[in-house]
Amino acid sequence: QVQLVQSGAEVKKTGASVKVSCQTSGYTFTSYNVIWMRQARGQGLECVGWISGYNGHANYSDSLQGRVTMTADTSTNTVYMELRSLKSDDTGVYYCAKEGDGGWLDPWGQGTLITVS
Amino acid sequence: IMMTQSPATLSVSLGEGATLSCRASQSVSTNVAWYQQRPGHPPRLLLYGASIRATGVPARFSGSGSGPDYTLTIHNLQSEDLAVYYCQQYNNWPWYTFGQGTKLEIK
Repeated sequence: QVQLVQSGAEVKKTGASVKVSCQTSGYTFTSYNVIWMRQARGQGLECVGWISGYNGHANYSDSLQGRVTMTADTSTNTVYMELRSLKSDDTGVYYCAKEGDGGWLDPWGQGTLITVS
Repeated sequence: IMMTQSPATLSVSLGEGATLSCRASQSVSTNVAWYQQRPGHPPRLLLYGASIRATGVPARFSGSGSGPDYTLTIHNLQSEDLAVYYCQQYNNWPWYTFGQGTKLEIK
């Protein structure tokens, strides 16, 4: 079955960088985009950006433009998200999700808690 | 595209039904998905195309709507339905937006 497995929780200082991995399996990696979402504690879902498994092309949300980079490794079917110059507002759970044939997201990774202090 | 969900919180007794609403700031042509997020878990896809159930989703979950207005209906509420429910539009690819969520409480 399709699975997305993320790396573990991170605790970072303000101004530091963090890199989260999302290892995918069970589908043709190069045929789908992977989306990154984030969720502050008790809050809703915010789109961070997405990356094409086909050519590695990425698009980022305006609010994070310049601080985030997504990459895709087709040899391991893994997607990475790096967030730099961390702020306390970046604290939250970060999810990767496979984009469906039409744009819905299914399934989601288990989430990675990033704490910035 | 803004997605507005109502109500913010809904209290329903076990065995009863619940109706959750989602309104887009413009027509999204049934390009709407619904997700369930139980406490401590990632969101789970329930419906896409406004009314098509995802694999493994019980038939007591149904969706409807068109244009800007969409509804998720849950029949015969079970204790495991305690969750926050989000709607998402994917009409404006690739910039998907989510509603702020409806928290379903068991009365």
